[in-house]
Amino acid sequence: AQSVAQPEDQVNVAEGNPLTVKCTYSVSGNPYLFWYVQYPNRGLQFLLKYITGDNLVKGSYGFEAEFNKSQTSFHLKKPSALVSDSALYFCAVRAVGGSQGNLIFGKGTKLSVKP
Amino acid sequence: NAGVTQTPKFRILKIGQSMTLQCTQDMNHNYMYWYRQDPGMGLKLIYYSVGAGITDKGEVPNGYNVSRSTTEDFPLRLELAAPSQTSVYFCASSWGNEQFFGPGTRLTVL
Repeated sequence: AQSVAQPEDQVNVAEGNPLTVKCTYSVSGNPYLFWYVQYPNRGLQFLLKYITGDNLVKGSYGFEAEFNKSQTSFHLKKPSALVSDSALYFCAVRAVGGSQGNLIFGKGTKLSVKP
Repeated sequence: NAGVTQTPKFRILKIGQSMTLQCTQDMNHNYMYWYRQDPGMGLKLIYYSVGAGITDKGEVPNGYNVSRSTTEDFPLRLELAAPSQTSVYFCASSWGNEQFFGPGTRLTVL
């Protein structure tokens, strides 16, 4: 069965420091991987995706993620955190060849960036 | 483009009442989805549709029904509301691999 794990409920970072939000996945075959962000009282917004190609994917707002097939991970990173990055972050996965409707989300990680 | 819009934003229901959550998208996307978001549980897929007239169950369809008579609209129906259906409901549509989400409907069943 497909699954996504976000092992940290919350990540705390000081403004200007690098941040990492962790995600590991389990899927048969090659995965499509996604990161979404949710600001308070809003819907999810797409940040970035990995389909194929370069393992380092760049996305919106200066975020990037690294696909590591051997570790089945897709960690979200940013070199220098901003207070405005504080939000809830979701990792999601879909198996290649699976229906577009079959997107499995992690439980989410709350990122808190302090000034 | 307005994107994905949902109504209402908030609703309180009594046990056993019924209601329809409305969802409309103006991006001409074929795929549409309904999710529920419970605290600490992420998003769970309720139903999805690959085009007008075609719907399919997701992970947690019990207690819900959907229809898709047009490309734009994908309403979610709760027939007999139960406290377990207290949640935030998100509608989404997709083009390719990117899903676009509405602002959500916060539903409380008492």
